[in-house]
Amino acid sequence: QVGLQESGPGLVKPSETLSLTCSISNASISGSHWSWVRQPPGKGLEWVGYFYSSGITHYSPSLKSRVTISVDTSLTQISLTLTSVTAADTAVYYCARGGGYGDHFYFDYWGQGILVTVSS
Amino acid sequence: QSVLTQPPSASGTPGQRVTISCSGSNSNIGGNFVYWYQRLPGTAPKLLIYKDIQRPSGVPDRFSGSKSGTSASLAISGLRSDDEADYFCATWDDGLRGYWVFGGGTKVTVL
Repeated sequence: QVGLQESGPGLVKPSETLSLTCSISNASISGSHWSWVRQPPGKGLEWVGYFYSSGITHYSPSLKSRVTISVDTSLTQISLTLTSVTAADTAVYYCARGGGYGDHFYFDYWGQGILVTVSS
Repeated sequence: QSVLTQPPSASGTPGQRVTISCSGSNSNIGGNFVYWYQRLPGTAPKLLIYKDIQRPSGVPDRFSGSKSGTSASLAISGLRSDDEADYFCATWDDGLRGYWVFGGGTKVTVL
């Protein structure tokens, strides 16, 4: 069973940078897409973007100027960085395996999610 | 406002059949596979249906998916108390260089 666990600060100040990590167990980063998906309170889910093991990334059109998804050197964690945050970035952030380019690359495993609040 | 439209809630008594709709457009549901997920409170979302109608191993056949045109549906038959959860649909959208889109989620309550 693939395990995904999100971690990071639960509170970020406006205009600062949100940084989250997804720790992966029982799976290799190689050969898979790894995505971040978020859900603001009371709203639907929003795909943030994906990282493919070859280094290719693809981001949501609405977030691409502020977001970076990468893998750490240990090759066991995926990171999300979102710059210049506002209250609108308050959400539960999920990491998931899948979500690549096209309808065949679906999400098959998800983490439990982490709530990040943007507030001063 | 989610790209895919789902009813916010649905309910039924044990043993009943409940159907959840997911409505989109030609750029998403109309041309791509639909996926359904179950999210129990405080847990990670779980894949229920993939490629419109397929069930992963371990998912009971009480759960079934269908699609017609730009709409898809998830049916839960023989409703059980442990089916009480949020259900959401997902698919790829071919617009704006391509991206994944989701429904707003449907809370199923077992009365």
